[in-house]
Amino acid sequence: GIQVEQSPPDLILQEGANSTLRCNFSDSVNNLQWFHQNPWGQLINLFYIPSGTKQNGRLSATTVATERYSLLYISSSQTTDSGVYFCAVNQAGTALIFGKGTTLSVSS
Amino acid sequence: SAVISQKPSRDICQRGTSLTIQCQVDSQVTMMFWYRQQPGQSLTLIATANQGSEATYESGFVIDKFPISRPNLTFSTLTVSNMSPEDSSIYLCSDRVGETQYFGPGTRLLVL
Repeated sequence: GIQVEQSPPDLILQEGANSTLRCNFSDSVNNLQWFHQNPWGQLINLFYIPSGTKQNGRLSATTVATERYSLLYISSSQTTDSGVYFCAVNQAGTALIFGKGTTLSVSS
Repeated sequence: SAVISQKPSRDICQRGTSLTIQCQVDSQVTMMFWYRQQPGQSLTLIATANQGSEATYESGFVIDKFPISRPNLTFSTLTVSNMSPEDSSIYLCSDRVGETQYFGPGTRLLVL
């Protein structure tokens, strides 16, 4: 099956810093989504981005489907950005397969 | 977007017992999914539940342990049977609207 690798596994930032999270996947995909799981366990959709670039406030994402990777950018990080960021992909007619996540800790 | 609710939100159960988790979605969808998230781990797909057909289970998950019902296009249940402490996890229901997959708030299960 398709493999999803995320890096780095852990990231510690000071408030206000910028960061880039990476997701590599092993095969062509129909869908790629980024999620944020907050410390209370809630899984929040950030982006649906099978290709191209999207921005939402301080977050943006880019997927280069031909090279099988996606990047999530967090600018001016805040303590509320802490949690686990997951990348997940699927092929047509199948469910999302998740990477192992990047755990982000932002301190004030 | 999609609104997904799950019941119960959390439970503490004794080993050997069974728990049924309910999932309600706010619009009719063909595909629903059940995931497990063990402590400190990522999400793992248990099965895909399509209305009107038997659920399709992923490797490592079997129907006898995780029976699933899908009686209509807005509802599904997952039962965790004959529980052991290793079943302590968050169980999440998910659906797909268009190309985007959405997740419920999860059911936190602790098995003693």
